[in-house]
Amino acid sequence: EVQLVESGGGLVQPGRSLKLSCLASGFTFSNYGMNWIRQAPGKGLEWVASISSSSSYIYYADTVKGRFTISRDNAKNTLYLQMTSLRSEDTALYYCAGTTTFAYWGQGTLVTVSS
Amino acid sequence: DVVLTQTPPTLSATIGQSVSISCRSSQSLLHSNGNTYLNWLLQRPGQPPQLLIYLVSRLESGVPNRFSGSGSGTDFTLKISGVEAEDLGVYYCVQSTHARTFGGGTKLELK
Repeated sequence: EVQLVESGGGLVQPGRSLKLSCLASGFTFSNYGMNWIRQAPGKGLEWVASISSSSSYIYYADTVKGRFTISRDNAKNTLYLQMTSLRSEDTALYYCAGTTTFAYWGQGTLVTVSS
Repeated sequence: DVVLTQTPPTLSATIGQSVSISCRSSQSLLHSNGNTYLNWLLQRPGQPPQLLIYLVSRLESGVPNRFSGSGSGTDFTLKISGVEAEDLGVYYCVQSTHARTFGGGTKLELK
């Protein structure tokens, strides 16, 4: 069974940093591109960042470019999102999603940016 | 950047009714490799999204065949042939030809 389990969310003050993790199991993690997607309360889905299987290709949404860094450790089957200079508008449920077709999804981890 | 525009934003349907959702892209989603990376997802209330259709018209494993996708270039359609209660939720198109972009969503509700 495919599982993606996000962790690392929480309450953080504006301007601070947070690092999210996503542990994958049930599929060959190193073969697939991975993504972070977020959903603000009551809003739609917003793509955040993507990384190819070997980390050769990395893409960011303009809203997070220069502040967020996506990375992966294929030996640990883990995807990461390092978030810096957080703003109130970054408050959202952050999903990890697997494959370039978004076939696999975790349950999400909530990030709240507030003073 | 690619913008995906979904219409309608809300769709009211009765059980058994057939409905369609449109997704229009601000630029062609035909990749140089010949594939068109346009997918459809359904997010039921309180749940993460699930993949329904990939590469415009390919049905994800386990998805009922009342769902179908069509289109090319910049215009795409998701059709549900006979809505069932479990189909209620928000539908999103998402492209991965030019980075990634989600459409704004279409909420399917019971009439």
